[in-house]
Amino acid sequence: DIQMTQSPSSLSASVGDRVTITCRASQRINNYLSWYQQKPGKAPKLLIYAASRLQSGVPSRFSGSGSGTDCTLSISSLQPEDFATYYCQQTYNIPYTFGQGTKLEIK
Amino acid sequence: QVQLQESGPGLVKPSETLSLTCTVSGDSVSNGRFFWSWIRQPPGKGLEWIGYIYYTGSTNYNPSLKSQITISLDMSKNQFSLKLSAVTAADTAVYHCARGAMDNYYGMDVWGQGTTVTVSS
Repeated sequence: DIQMTQSPSSLSASVGDRVTITCRASQRINNYLSWYQQKPGKAPKLLIYAASRLQSGVPSRFSGSGSGTDCTLSISSLQPEDFATYYCQQTYNIPYTFGQGTKLEIK
Repeated sequence: QVQLQESGPGLVKPSETLSLTCTVSGDSVSNGRFFWSWIRQPPGKGLEWIGYIYYTGSTNYNPSLKSQITISLDMSKNQFSLKLSAVTAADTAVYHCARGAMDNYYGMDVWGQGTTVTVSS
């Protein structure tokens, strides 16, 4: 299985901050990488697919990049509604695997 | 607007079979652009991909669960289903169904709200 390691596991930030979350795959995933946002009691929401493509309807302050086995999710100017848990997922090999999650909290 | 809705019993006894159904509205499970997945999340933990089915009936399962899982389609009802046999307490989780798109590099763009399943006697 491809292991996905997210860092950090948790992050405190303020409204207006720029934050970056990293996901490292244990082997190449050829940009088959998605990012999801999940709020408590809700289903995950697709933000980014193919490592860097913004899902329709997602604000442009979210962006993704990928190189080799490393991918990043950036939020350029945090808004109150962005405080949530973020997961990466590779869909290059079966089984599709998720990172362990990054909890973004208000400082 | 595409919507997915999970249904099924909230309580299952150990060693029995968990059965869930996902009803799709606003799209068709016979749409060849998409595949239909199950994902679960144990309480307080992260996400685990269970498997998916394509409109042809072709499936892919998580090998860690493969001996327990069956995912099937019912095109007449526009539904797909999950059966997980011989459940234990470790199968207690919120179960989500989701739509994945090949155009999205298999990212899952529509999710059901999830249904909580507890395994307990």
